[in-house]
Amino acid sequence: LAKTTQPISMDSYEGQEVNITCSHNNIATNDYITWYQQFPSQGPRFIIQGYKTKVTNEVASLFIPADRKSSTLSLPRVSLSDTAVYYCLVGPGGGGGNKLTFGTGTQLKVEL
Amino acid sequence: GAGVSQTPSNKVTEKGKYVELRCDPISGHTALYWYRQSLGQGPEFLIYFQGTGAADDSGLPNDRFFAVRPEGSVSTLKIQRTERGDSAVYLCASSPGSGADTQYFGPGTRLTVL
Repeated sequence: LAKTTQPISMDSYEGQEVNITCSHNNIATNDYITWYQQFPSQGPRFIIQGYKTKVTNEVASLFIPADRKSSTLSLPRVSLSDTAVYYCLVGPGGGGGNKLTFGTGTQLKVEL
Repeated sequence: GAGVSQTPSNKVTEKGKYVELRCDPISGHTALYWYRQSLGQGPEFLIYFQGTGAADDSGLPNDRFFAVRPEGSVSTLKIQRTERGDSAVYLCASSPGSGADTQYFGPGTRLTVL
């Protein structure tokens, strides 16, 4: 499974755009990039998934360059409630049974 | 409908005791996963069920850990002769199992072994 590297922590203020970059130099051809969010005392929650270029949903955008060796999760106009740990995962897409491999994640702290 | 639920939310036990942790997946989800999360770390895969059978148990740390899913819905994670190092949050997740990657996690059970 491809190893991922992301910053341990990031600080931001309400209303700012936050970009969290994840490196995955050994990503395989059939690997997808998935981001999960985790609040204290809760299980992780799926945010977004992509394979290449750009994916956008109501929560975030995911930017993936052509070489796919990194990806950037973009959170527009963060609020205090976005304070959480964000995990970047890389693994095969599709098919049940894909065990998720989490790293240590990025602790995002949003302040007023 | 309801999400994944886990009981109990907290469990305190003594070293050497036996514990059972329960997971109720989202109705209709055929795939069920157990993970373990230690403080400051991301979740670590333990076992995956597809229906009633354990399709992948490669993450179970040793033979003190066992999980069942007899009717393809509720699952129980069983830990024998608990050790202090077993203290962690045990997370359960389920997915439709029909090709979707998204796993839906429960709130976890915090296990403390004294």
